[in-house]
Amino acid sequence: DIQMTQSPSSLSASLGDRVTITCQASQDINNYLNWYQHKPGKAPKLLIYDASNLETGVPSRFSGSGSGTDFTFTISSLQPEDIATYFCQQYDSLPPMYTFGQGTTVEIK
Amino acid sequence: QVRLVQSGAEVRKPGSSVKVSCKASGGAFTNYAINWVRQAPGQGLEWMGGTIPVFTARNYAQKFQGRVTITTDESTTTVYMELSSLTSEDTAVYYCASTKFSGYRGGLDRWGQGTLVTVSS
Repeated sequence: DIQMTQSPSSLSASLGDRVTITCQASQDINNYLNWYQHKPGKAPKLLIYDASNLETGVPSRFSGSGSGTDFTFTISSLQPEDIATYFCQQYDSLPPMYTFGQGTTVEIK
Repeated sequence: QVRLVQSGAEVRKPGSSVKVSCKASGGAFTNYAINWVRQAPGQGLEWMGGTIPVFTARNYAQKFQGRVTITTDESTTTVYMELSSLTSEDTAVYYCASTKFSGYRGGLDRWGQGTLVTVSS
């Protein structure tokens, strides 16, 4: 099975800061990598699909990049409403399955 | 716009089973996958398995093989997830979620509201 290593597990940043989270796959996954935001008591929300595509309605301060085994998720200017846990998730096709990263909790410094 | 609406909270004893439903309201089943994802207290998200309702194939995470069963009722556009041999470690919020594109591609862009399953003696 493909393993996903997400880092850091938590971070503290100031409002307006640039925040970066990375996800590394144990083998080449092309661009089959998605990013989610999860707030307590709510369902996860898809932010980025296929590594770099911004989901409809998601603010442009969120972005994703990467291909193969190394991926990056960025918040260009941290806002108060961005306090949440962020997960990467890879998709494998044979057989179909998903694996989530361990999550990164983002807090305000 | 299809919405996913899940059944309510459940309490079960260790060793028993639970069956959670996920109704797709506002539209018919398509060839998009419906998946089950759970989050235990203090833990991350965990994919359990999925199905494409218009086909018969199911796919399960290795961890849950033999203990989870996903079924579909096309007449009511409802997908069910049954988990057996429950232990306290199965206490979690269970979500159903559908894919953005056909099959399993493009990420999970629609989610149910979540169902809390508590396993306690």
